[in-house]
Amino acid sequence: DTGVSQDPRHKITKRGQNVTFRCDPISEHNRLYWYRQTLGQGPEFLTYFQNEAQLEKSRLLSDRFSAERPKGSFSTLEIQRTEQGDSAMYLCASSSEGHLNEQFFGPGTRLTVL
Amino acid sequence: ILNVEQSPQSLHVQEGDSTNFTCSFPSSNFYALHWYRWETAKSPEALFVMTLNGDEKKKGRISATLNTKEGYSYLYIKGSQPEDSATYLCASFSGSARQLTFGSGTQLTVLP
Repeated sequence: DTGVSQDPRHKITKRGQNVTFRCDPISEHNRLYWYRQTLGQGPEFLTYFQNEAQLEKSRLLSDRFSAERPKGSFSTLEIQRTEQGDSAMYLCASSSEGHLNEQFFGPGTRLTVL
Repeated sequence: ILNVEQSPQSLHVQEGDSTNFTCSFPSSNFYALHWYRWETAKSPEALFVMTLNGDEKKKGRISATLNTKEGYSYLYIKGSQPEDSATYLCASFSGSARQLTFGSGTQLTVLP
């Protein structure tokens, strides 16, 4: 399967714990995006990378959130001191360069904070 | 603030019916309009990327139109099938936001 993959698919954690999610994009794509989707809403942009550079961050991305793409391939999204409001689906997408190109999404990581 | 609106929020149709949904978006600084289909437990799948006013794209029984001057796009499904059941998302890319802004989606259920 050469699509976008995400790990884990589901994560249940207690409030205050740290969690880390991984995204493996399509290998030839140099752009990688993170989104968050809550019930009844569409995906909301969090951040994006071009190669290893993080070029844009949403104001939704509080200082408890950090994303990395150290070698320009896979990316991680870490949430520190999780809160119940962080419960959501976290989606990763990748695309080739150019904002007019379609983004290919992974299946998402469903986070539940108890 | 960029606001993308979709209607209806949900829709139930009978197998064989044709249906359509609306996506409205701010027309200023418009670059592109994306349509995605998202089936439960699967990844969102790109349907169309549209950029030109008056553009019409088609993929099988699904087609979409774009009006960039008035800021709306229609998605049409002809002869709906149960496998068309999914949430249909549109997303606008504008020069001011520089990233995709999604609507909240239209949830389609096709009843056999």
